[in-house]
Amino acid sequence: NAGVMQNPRHLVRRRGQEARLRCSPMKGHSHVYWYRQLPEEGLKFMVYLQKENIIDESGMPKERFSAEFPKEGPSILRIQQVVRGDSAAYFCASSLRLSSGANVLTFGAGSRLTVL
Amino acid sequence: DAKTTQPPSMDCAEGRAANLPCNHSTISGNEYVYWYRQIHSQGPQYIIHGLKNNETNEMASLIITEDRKSSTLILPHATLRDTAVYYCIVRVLVGSGGGADGLTFGKGTHLIIQP
Repeated sequence: NAGVMQNPRHLVRRRGQEARLRCSPMKGHSHVYWYRQLPEEGLKFMVYLQKENIIDESGMPKERFSAEFPKEGPSILRIQQVVRGDSAAYFCASSLRLSSGANVLTFGAGSRLTVL
Repeated sequence: DAKTTQPPSMDCAEGRAANLPCNHSTISGNEYVYWYRQIHSQGPQYIIHGLKNNETNEMASLIITEDRKSSTLILPHATLRDTAVYYCIVRVLVGSGGGADGLTFGKGTHLIIQP
């Protein structure tokens, strides 16, 4: 049972280009979360999605960032017109709700974006 | 969500038990305590969670005080590979309302296991 798969693991973009990060959740998980970790800082929640729906995007920057989780295929975090401040590690997590009401997240290894 | 307070760093000798404290004095009855860790540059890793009772799994034990205002994560025999930042997170039960189901990570405790 593969874990949460993220690709690419490393991505280099020049300012103004687009970055697309992909996340395949664990088998059977229908909830996906994206987090960003700036260098030497903590994890910041960005967005929570279920299949074909954005449930909470309160942590997403208002411009240039978008996320989707289509019916088929991986979740995509898209950053348009990247700037140097977008350089960070982007982590995806998926979850399977437990009958107890707990919500345990399984994280991927992350995608590291470097903007030149 | 209830706010948590953790010491910024701790040292522990290899082979000894590592006891990581967490205060969550404003926790409410429908909030779980979760522990995750992040080893340098890797994705966060789930360790354990609990509501009221003490919990144990293959990685660790979680001791929650009777009033639920604090908890302790115990790594029984720490190894060098346990060096990581440990996060204590409090979050409402799914379906209890309260907004996003994502977890909010604070600064955590940087646990350093000494050889």
